[in-house]
Amino acid sequence: GENVEQHPSTLSVQEGDSAVIKCTYSDSASNYFPWYKQELGKRPQLIIDIRSNVGEKKDQRIAVTLNKTAKHFSLHITETQPEDSAVYFCAASRANSGYALNFGKGTSLLVTP
Amino acid sequence: DTEVTQTPKHLVMGMTNKKSLKCEQHMGHRAMYWYKQKAKKPPELMFVYSYEKLSINESVPSRFSPECPNSSLLNLHLHALQPEDSALYLCASSQEAGGTYEQYFGPGTRLTVT
Repeated sequence: GENVEQHPSTLSVQEGDSAVIKCTYSDSASNYFPWYKQELGKRPQLIIDIRSNVGEKKDQRIAVTLNKTAKHFSLHITETQPEDSAVYFCAASRANSGYALNFGKGTSLLVTP
Repeated sequence: DTEVTQTPKHLVMGMTNKKSLKCEQHMGHRAMYWYKQKAKKPPELMFVYSYEKLSINESVPSRFSPECPNSSLLNLHLHALQPEDSALYLCASSQEAGGTYEQYFGPGTRLTVT
């Protein structure tokens, strides 16, 4: 089955700096890669996703890049703000995968003022 | 509207109790999911309903019993739970079942088994 590795497990940055979280996956057939943000005590919130026919996608301060050859994808947050502090989960899946989102173990991001 | 709602927000139950968790979505999604999430861990898939039929049961103990009364509602019936079942139970929905559709999560029910 699919195995998703996520690094780092914790990340601390100063407000205004950039943050990068990286994930690798094992199943070359995976073609959908969402990122979820989960604040303490709240629901996982889909913040951005990318499909395998695209190499990069941006939404304001958030971007995701995908390297299919190397089987890794990354989340980039620019101009970080304290409200970006949360746990971020990457996931990988493919059609006919049994419906499962295969999650990474999560990255706890702390943005200090 | 991309909202999935869940009730109750918090639930404390003894090991001999029977309780139910409820989930609702009005996005016209045809797939609904139950996940279990322990602290500092990613969500773990429990059940998937597609077009109101149970599609996936990820080897979940029978003390958890899902039910999908209609396309908007999903229940999780709980009976004779163990303390290790204490967790955040998340409901999610997507347009269709299948790995490549966006899944939207509800706020969860924080369950404590005493």
